[in-house]
Amino acid sequence: QKEVEQDPGPLSVPEGAIVSLNCTYSNSAFQYFMWYRQYSRKGPELLMYTYSSGNKEDGRFTAQVDKSSKYISLFIRDSQPSDSATYLCAMSVNTGTASKLTFGTGTRLQVTL
Amino acid sequence: SQTIHQWPATLVQPVGSPLSLECTVEGTSNPNLYWYRQAAGRGLQLLFYSVGIGQISSEVPQNLSASRPQDRQFILSSKKLLLSDSGFYLCAWSGAQPKEDEQYFGPGTRLTVT
Repeated sequence: QKEVEQDPGPLSVPEGAIVSLNCTYSNSAFQYFMWYRQYSRKGPELLMYTYSSGNKEDGRFTAQVDKSSKYISLFIRDSQPSDSATYLCAMSVNTGTASKLTFGTGTRLQVTL
Repeated sequence: SQTIHQWPATLVQPVGSPLSLECTVEGTSNPNLYWYRQAAGRGLQLLFYSVGIGQISSEVPQNLSASRPQDRQFILSSKKLLLSDSGFYLCAWSGAQPKEDEQYFGPGTRLTVT
């Protein structure tokens, strides 16, 4: 079993839709949770970062963490064609010095006009 | 603001040839630095990380090596490339505590070994 599971998609939605992207994990030691957006042939871009259960909102994006269920989600409201990208979840166990991230394989999102 | 550079952007190398990929960070001091490889459909795999000059930790045994000759410079090398070394190589940096979990990625180097 992989430590982090993420549905690869692709997920196709019309412009303006609410998008829900999800990851599950098995390692209860994970403390920090991140979402990255990666456009084709580019480096990942950090979108959201959270370390506690509950919701964190930033503009059209909401990150949700449920540590009891080992489940994290990213919601995108009013989706735009520019949101078309691959979304990667990542999580880490802080070792006190450097942080080692474990990534999901990514979900490809296509927002259509 | 902080900026991370990688070069070259793309590289095509024959099997058995050497490799040197470079990553530099601007606008911060004493960053943690990371090398990842991204293969199609397999997510990002952490290869090496460094918390300071000359300090390298390896995550995956392989024919790659890393060095950090200067505070903001991180180099990925190989003496002899294998076909399986093809992939998208990403360098990332993070700050000191409590920000060490926020990693910021460079634009990547796409390596094709032929």
